[in-house]
Amino acid sequence: NAGVTQTPKFRILKIGQSMTLQCTQDMNHNYMYWYRQDPGMGLKLIYYSVGAGITDKGEVPNGYNVSRSTTEDFPLRLELAAPSQTSVYFCASSYSKYTTENAGELFFGEGSRLTVL
Amino acid sequence: GNSVTQMEGPVTLSEEAFLTINCTYTATGYPSLFWYVQYPGEGLQLLLKATKADDKGSNKGFEATYRKETTSFHLEKGSVQVSDSAVYFCALPGGTSYGKLTFGQGTILTVHP
Repeated sequence: NAGVTQTPKFRILKIGQSMTLQCTQDMNHNYMYWYRQDPGMGLKLIYYSVGAGITDKGEVPNGYNVSRSTTEDFPLRLELAAPSQTSVYFCASSYSKYTTENAGELFFGEGSRLTVL
Repeated sequence: GNSVTQMEGPVTLSEEAFLTINCTYTATGYPSLFWYVQYPGEGLQLLLKATKADDKGSNKGFEATYRKETTSFHLEKGSVQVSDSAVYFCALPGGTSYGKLTFGQGTILTVHP
C-alpha cells in the first residue's frame, strides 16, 4: 500500500543551499508530476514526466531541476535555495493509458514542507 | 488556457449542516471536471469527477453536477460531519497533456460538533 512516497517530510534550508526532494512510486505509472502548494494559491505544476528519460517544464519551473532515470523515481532538485521556494511540495503520479474511468486521477504523496531562511 | 475559480474560504459549519462550495471554470470545449480533497497532514486525493456535460459525480455523500450553461461544478453535501473537515480543490485539465491539472485555490472547510 505504499503508493507515492516522498522524503523528507520537513526540511529547513539556508539561502543558497541545495537539496533534492525524493519521490518514488510503486504503481508502475509512467506519468509523474511535481507540484508546489502555497497558501491560498492552489497547486502549481513545476515539472512533469511522461516516462523514464522524458521530462518537461510545467507552470513554475525556474529554480528547479528534475530527472527521470527509472519509472519509479522522480527527484526534484533545488539549486541555490531562495525564500520564494518556501512551500509544500507534492509529488504525484497517474495512469499512462487514458480511460474515462481513470481520467484525472492523480495519486499524491503526503508532501514535503520546505522552509528557506 | 483552462482556468478555475473557486469559492473563497474558509467555510465553518456545524455538524449536519448543508454544504455548498462554488466552482466555475473557463475552458475550451467540455473538459472533465474534478474535485479533490486534502485531509490534514495528507496529500490530495480524488473525491469525485464528471467527464461530460450534465454528468453528476458523487462519492462519500458529496455531489457535483457538470453544468455547461453556467460553466460551473459546485460541490454539495446534504449533511456534513466533523470528519469532512479538509481543504477542497476544484480542478480541470490544464492543457492537452493528460494529467496536467489546473487547480483552484482551495477552500478550507471546518465542521464543528
